[in-house]
Amino acid sequence: DAGVTQSPTHLIKTRGQHVTLRCSPISGHKSVSWYQQVLGQGPQFIFQYYEKEERGRGNFPDRFSARQFPNYSSELNVNALLLGDSALYLCASSDDLNTEAFFGQGTRLTVV
Amino acid sequence: QKEVEQNSGPLSVPEGAIASLNCTYSDRGSQSFFWYRQYSGKSPELIMSIYSNGDKEDGRFTAQLNKASQYVSLLIRDSQPSDSATYLCAVRKIRSGNTGKLIFGQGTTLQVKP
Repeated sequence: DAGVTQSPTHLIKTRGQHVTLRCSPISGHKSVSWYQQVLGQGPQFIFQYYEKEERGRGNFPDRFSARQFPNYSSELNVNALLLGDSALYLCASSDDLNTEAFFGQGTRLTVV
Repeated sequence: QKEVEQNSGPLSVPEGAIASLNCTYSDRGSQSFFWYRQYSGKSPELIMSIYSNGDKEDGRFTAQLNKASQYVSLLIRDSQPSDSATYLCAVRKIRSGNTGKLIFGQGTTLQVKP
């Protein structure tokens, strides 16, 4: 049974560009959350989607946006990239809002 | 005060010993508690979840929750070099209509020495 899959695994972008990260949750899971993890810190919450509706947004600028599709996969978009956006972006999948969350392998974004 | 606090370590234990990892949280409304293991350069892997006061055991791992004192701990028995990783404590609180976001501590680095 496939776990959470994220693509791409690594990405290098230039300041000012935009990026789209993708996530496919575990089959049957309806909730997808996005987290940003910078080196030496724990993951920070960006968004949660459940049944295609946004259910939570963390303290990130409007340059960050996301959506969830009818098949429960999700995209995270970041516009006008800054050097400080360089981080590991994690997608977590859960079958409900308050159940265990399982992470994908992450996308390592480097902004130069 | 951070919402979830962990000692960053490193915590160094000899192989075969018990490793004790601690985490405190500030919001008494927290309802669910999780321990994740993260190897260097990898994503977090869920190893334990605990929802009520007391101990929960799974193999060599025991999670302990004390809501009155607002702390969660993870014990690893018979520590192995392969347990060397960063252990992340995560807390979730659910309010009506709100998200089930996880709030993470900064993690404790565990080193198990052969």
